Amino acid sequence: QVQLQESGPGLVKPSQTLSLTCTVSGGSISSGGYYWSWIRQHPGKGLEWIGYIYYSGSTYYNPSLKSRVTISVDTSKNQFSLKLSSVTAADTAVYYCARDWPFGCVDVWGQGTTVTVSS
Amino acid sequence: DIQMTQSPSSVSASVGDRVTITCRASQGISSWLAWYQQKPGKAPKLLIYAASSLQSGVPSRFSGSGSGTDFTLTISSLQPEDFATYYCQQANSFPRTFGPGTKVDIK
Repeated sequence: QVQLQESGPGLVKPSQTLSLTCTVSGGSISSGGYYWSWIRQHPGKGLEWIGYIYYSGSTYYNPSLKSRVTISVDTSKNQFSLKLSSVTAADTAVYYCARDWPFGCVDVWGQGTTVTVSS
Repeated sequence: DIQMTQSPSSVSASVGDRVTITCRASQGISSWLAWYQQKPGKAPKLLIYAASSLQSGVPSRFSGSGSGTDFTLTISSLQPEDFATYYCQQANSFPRTFGPGTKVDIK
């Protein structure tokens, strides 16, 4: 079955850009029918949806983060990526990549990766 | 954005108890609602989609109901592995938004 795995630095300095990649295995991003999403969870808090990308490259970002977020896709590597610029301590969170299926919810999650913003 | 609220924020229950969690949307979302279970240090797990459809592999003691703005998740007979935090999520529009969670712990 489809599995997702996040990768990237666990520590980012304030004002820098957070970069994460999600590798998809057991299925192809190019097959269509799904949105490929990023979701984060602040320590001890609830879930915040960051945005999605479709295999075609179309994106939608949470307006609360839109000015700082870029999500891209590399279908040749079966990966999609998140960039979040100008980070602050408030961006410290567990970041999940996820598959958003046609019922509008996430049926496959990555295991999550903790990103800490600190100098 | 559609705001999601949940009640209660936490509930203490015993094995075998029936547990009901409520989720409310700030505007009508038809049946576009999902429920997730999350255990500490783990990613959320999809339990219910489209308000009342049970995700494959999820035990039948979990059920969902509701439409419009008011929804419920019911665990008919709580099992030890069910102690966790439960989140609702609206799937009606972007940005997707989640409820704040309901923690189910041991009485």
